[in-house]
Amino acid sequence: ELKVEQNPLFLSMQEGKNYTIYCNYSTTSDRLYWYRQDPGKSLESLFVLLSNGAVKQEGRLMASLDTKARLSTLHITAAVHDLSATYFCAVGALIQGAQKLVFGQGTRLTINP
Amino acid sequence: DTGVSQNPRHKITKRGQNVTFRCDPISEHNRLYWYRQTLGQGPEFLTYFQNEAQLEKSRLLSDRFSAERPKGSFSTLEIQRTEQGDSAMYLCASSGRDRGNTGELFFGEGSRLTVL
Repeated sequence: ELKVEQNPLFLSMQEGKNYTIYCNYSTTSDRLYWYRQDPGKSLESLFVLLSNGAVKQEGRLMASLDTKARLSTLHITAAVHDLSATYFCAVGALIQGAQKLVFGQGTRLTINP
Repeated sequence: DTGVSQNPRHKITKRGQNVTFRCDPISEHNRLYWYRQTLGQGPEFLTYFQNEAQLEKSRLLSDRFSAERPKGSFSTLEIQRTEQGDSAMYLCASSGRDRGNTGELFFGEGSRLTVL
């Protein structure tokens, strides 16, 4: 059974600092997704990583994937308050021609002035 | 708005009552998913439709839960004889054929269920 673990689960950081969220998964997959969720809201897609070594960047967020280590990272550069949210990674598991996403527990990120 | 639409957004019900949620996916998407999310947790997969066919169900989907997608467009999720443990956010997502074959899911705003 595919399991996805994120750490840390809670992260409080100051504006301007850098930090990394880690996502480990238990079985082989070549698809890794990062989502953002604001309180009471739905999930917003941030990144889709499709191959080993994939790196994608959007603003202050950068995601990477190492399929051999079964590890993805989400790096935050010079954090700003607007990035406060819960971040989920999800791993794709092929079902009947589609991808079933298995989510981690989420990392609740709070950025303080 | 052409995103995934869910209603009702909030439902409060008494234990033992039946509830039904509706999901309208992005119009060109043939794949539809239901997930459940409890407070402080990540979404958990419930079931998957390709067009009108329900192709996968999680063991989380007990006999009290039923999902349909009769014409391959909108879907309904019904919970019979609700229990307090059913209180959660029920999320619908859809996906379609995209050029990169990414399998990316697009989520609706969710239907929050509170069972008293």
